[in-house]
Amino acid sequence: NAGVTQTPKFRILKIGQSMTLQCTQDMNHNYMYWYRQDPGMGLKLIYYSVGAGITDKGEVPNGYNVSRSTTEDFPLRLELAAPSQTSVYFCASRKAEQETQYFGPGTRLLVL
Amino acid sequence: GNSVTQMEGPVTLSEEAFLTINCTYTATGYPSLFWYVQYPGEGLQLLLKATKADDKGSNKGFEATYRKETTSFHLEKGSVQVSDSAVYFCALGNQGGKLIFGQGTELSVKP
Repeated sequence: NAGVTQTPKFRILKIGQSMTLQCTQDMNHNYMYWYRQDPGMGLKLIYYSVGAGITDKGEVPNGYNVSRSTTEDFPLRLELAAPSQTSVYFCASRKAEQETQYFGPGTRLLVL
Repeated sequence: GNSVTQMEGPVTLSEEAFLTINCTYTATGYPSLFWYVQYPGEGLQLLLKATKADDKGSNKGFEATYRKETTSFHLEKGSVQVSDSAVYFCALGNQGGKLIFGQGTELSVKP
């Protein structure tokens, strides 16, 4: 199993540009999560999904959108990039009956 | 609401020193508690967890005990190695299986 994979690893965006951060898991996990990690701030939940077709907002959803058309994929969309979205983004997944989350390697995003 | 507070870093130790990273929490009920570790350039991975009061989680020489009376889950290791250099996150399990993380504590171990 590859686990949770994320692409790209690093990206520079200009203000106002859009992009999609990709996340795929091959563990057949129902639950998937997107976090952002800012220096010294821990991880904040952006969006999460409990299964295909079901998504919900986390703590910091503004400026982001998600979709979950399959169990495996959970892309995160930034429509109008802002400098405040400069961060490291982590995707995670877990089985429905377990609490442990499995994380991807992260995407580092720089908005200039 | 539920929250987690960790001791601030960075923490710098010499190899073979004793490590304690403090973590306290505020929660209704009795959530599961976790320690995740993030090695440089990598994602987070579970280090250990405890699901109820007085449980001790352990892994790779690290230990943490779920203390209900002090609402704490301090991480300890008797003898750290250079390879333990990483950022350590305390977290609690919230409703719906979501995690609430502390701010992270960076550990640097010098040879």
